[in-house]
Amino acid sequence: DTAVSQTPKYLVTQMGNDKSIKCEQNLGHDTMYWYKQDSKKFLKIMFSYNNKELIINETVPNRFSPKSPDKAHLNLHINSLELGDSAVYFCASSQDRRTSGRENTGELFFGEGSRLTVL
Amino acid sequence: RKEVEQDPGPFNVPEGATVAFNCTYSNSASQSFFWYRQDCRKEPKLLMSVYSSGNEDGRFTAQLNRASQYISLLIRDSKLSDSATYLCVVYPITSGTYKYIFGTGTRLKVLA
Repeated sequence: DTAVSQTPKYLVTQMGNDKSIKCEQNLGHDTMYWYKQDSKKFLKIMFSYNNKELIINETVPNRFSPKSPDKAHLNLHINSLELGDSAVYFCASSQDRRTSGRENTGELFFGEGSRLTVL
Repeated sequence: RKEVEQDPGPFNVPEGATVAFNCTYSNSASQSFFWYRQDCRKEPKLLMSVYSSGNEDGRFTAQLNRASQYISLLIRDSKLSDSATYLCVVYPITSGTYKYIFGTGTRLKVLA
């Protein structure tokens, strides 16, 4: 029943390794996001996909590569992990308000987060 | 100037108190506004959307002032369970962007 699910919830790894986080939503939304929340608790957008098309690509190192195989999935792959990558990564989804009709509130639904610790 | 600004707090208030948070935004083209709540080590969850005419949900009242570009959240009769971080979120629908912009959050502690 989980609306936005991401795995793994916890990830502890060594510097230099490559890791992936997966995200799936069953809400029928057409837009998905990756946010990063660092130790100062600031939530910063990283990427957004709308119907599998990349629409937001903030200033993020190119070690981070998102992939959206279909509009219900958005994965995040990180190469050559660095200490500064330690954070909580949240996946989220929403419905494009311009196409969804008046009932849509434009709410952003979050997954539970994936806590990445780089040692 | 940050796109969305909030006082980080913490606001320490006794149970039963009324507390208000403000949030200012810089993009006048902003169309949608929300308050989210984030508990420690949890994901943000929608508390309420903010409508132009203002809206209320139980003990919570949200207001929007487009002229001054701020939104507010009022919590009446605070409960211990209201302790959390409250995030102001702005959604500027311009040029096909889908960017929900978050403030840094205001931390609330309700004390017994």
